[in-house]
Amino acid sequence: EEQLVQSGAEVKKPGESLKISCQGSGYSFTTHWIGWVRQTPGKGLEWMGNIYPGDSDTRYSPSFRGQVTISADKSINTAYLQWSSLKASDSGIYYCARRGSTVGWFGPWGQGTLVTVS
Amino acid sequence: IVLTQSPGTLSLSPGERATLSCRASQSVGSTYLAWYQQKPGQAPRLLIYDVSSRATGIPDRFSGSGSGTDFTLTISRLEPGDFAVYYCQQYAGSPYTFGQGTKLEI
Repeated sequence: EEQLVQSGAEVKKPGESLKISCQGSGYSFTTHWIGWVRQTPGKGLEWMGNIYPGDSDTRYSPSFRGQVTISADKSINTAYLQWSSLKASDSGIYYCARRGSTVGWFGPWGQGTLVTVS
Repeated sequence: IVLTQSPGTLSLSPGERATLSCRASQSVGSTYLAWYQQKPGQAPRLLIYDVSSRATGIPDRFSGSGSGTDFTLTISRLEPGDFAVYYCQQYAGSPYTFGQGTKLEI
């Protein structure tokens, strides 16, 4: 079964750093892009960026470039999303999802990681 | 590209037909649109990709259509498990964007 499993919920203070993870299994992790999507009550679903684990090629949404860092460790089939200095506005549910082979739809999705910054 | 979904909420009964709309602020062509279903406390699930292709395991009660700026998700005979929030997403241009969602309620 193709699946993505994310790390657990986090509660952080403004200014702290954070790195959340997304581990893939049941498919070739290195040959499929992984995307990160944020969900908040105010802005809904927002695409943050994609990474190709095979060579760590990364693309960011302009809204998130410079605000987060997306990385991957292909040796353990894991992608990461990290912040160096969290803000309250970073609170939300963060999903990782596998991108379609050649185009930008997403499936399957991880279960989500709730990040609370307060 | 801004996606606008309508209606915001759709109230129907099991067995009825649901028609959900997604309008784009500029053309996304005839291919680059997907639909997702999200139930409370769950991640979105891919239903339709490339406008009209059903994802693995999605019943044929779900169908997608449209091109250019106007797209539709149709659920032919609603079942109790179909009541959820539905989102469209375009991937014709970067950044990828999602609609604000349509809540399908009983």
